[in-house]
Amino acid sequence: DTGVSQDPRHKITKRGQNVTFRCDPISEHNRLYWYRQTLGQGPEFLTYFQNEAQLEKSRLLSDRFSAERPKGSFSTLEIQRTEQGDSAMYLCASSRLLGQGTYEQYFGPGTRLTVT
Amino acid sequence: GENVEQHPSTLSVQEGDSAVIKCTYSDSASNYFPWYKQELGKRPQLIIDIRSNVGEKKDQRIAVTLNKTAKHFSLHITETQPEDSAVYFCAASIPSSNYKLTFGKGTLLTVNP
Repeated sequence: DTGVSQDPRHKITKRGQNVTFRCDPISEHNRLYWYRQTLGQGPEFLTYFQNEAQLEKSRLLSDRFSAERPKGSFSTLEIQRTEQGDSAMYLCASSRLLGQGTYEQYFGPGTRLTVT
Repeated sequence: GENVEQHPSTLSVQEGDSAVIKCTYSDSASNYFPWYKQELGKRPQLIIDIRSNVGEKKDQRIAVTLNKTAKHFSLHITETQPEDSAVYFCAASIPSSNYKLTFGKGTLLTVNP
């Protein structure tokens, strides 16, 4: 499977614990996005990487959230001191430059986080 | 920032009928409009997209139209089949915003056999 992969697929944690998710983008895709999706809503942008540089962060990304993309390959999203409001599906998407300067984004299967 | 509104939130059709989902966007700088299909528990799947220099694009039973003046775009599915049942999301992106996607809230399409 050469698509975007994410690990773990499901994570149940207790409030106050730290969690880390991993995303492996499609190889040769230099752009990587994290989104969060809650029930009945569309995905909401969290953060964006171009190669290893984190170029944009949403206001949704509180200082409890941190993301990295070492060497411009896989990415990790860490949530510290989890809260019940963090329960959501965390989606990763990757893309590369196409003609006309636009980008098709392909999504991973997501990590469903439940904070108890 | 960009805001995308999507209607209807639910749509039920009979197999073989057509389905239309409409979206409006707020920022005239948006130039890329993808549509995603998401089945329960699965990843959003890109099904069709359109760029602002094109008014219409078709791929078999699926078509998308764009009206830049009115800032709205629509998804058309013809000859619907039960396997078309899913949640459909429209999105818009702006080049100066790193092409991040702003999504609508989704439309739950149910195709009744």
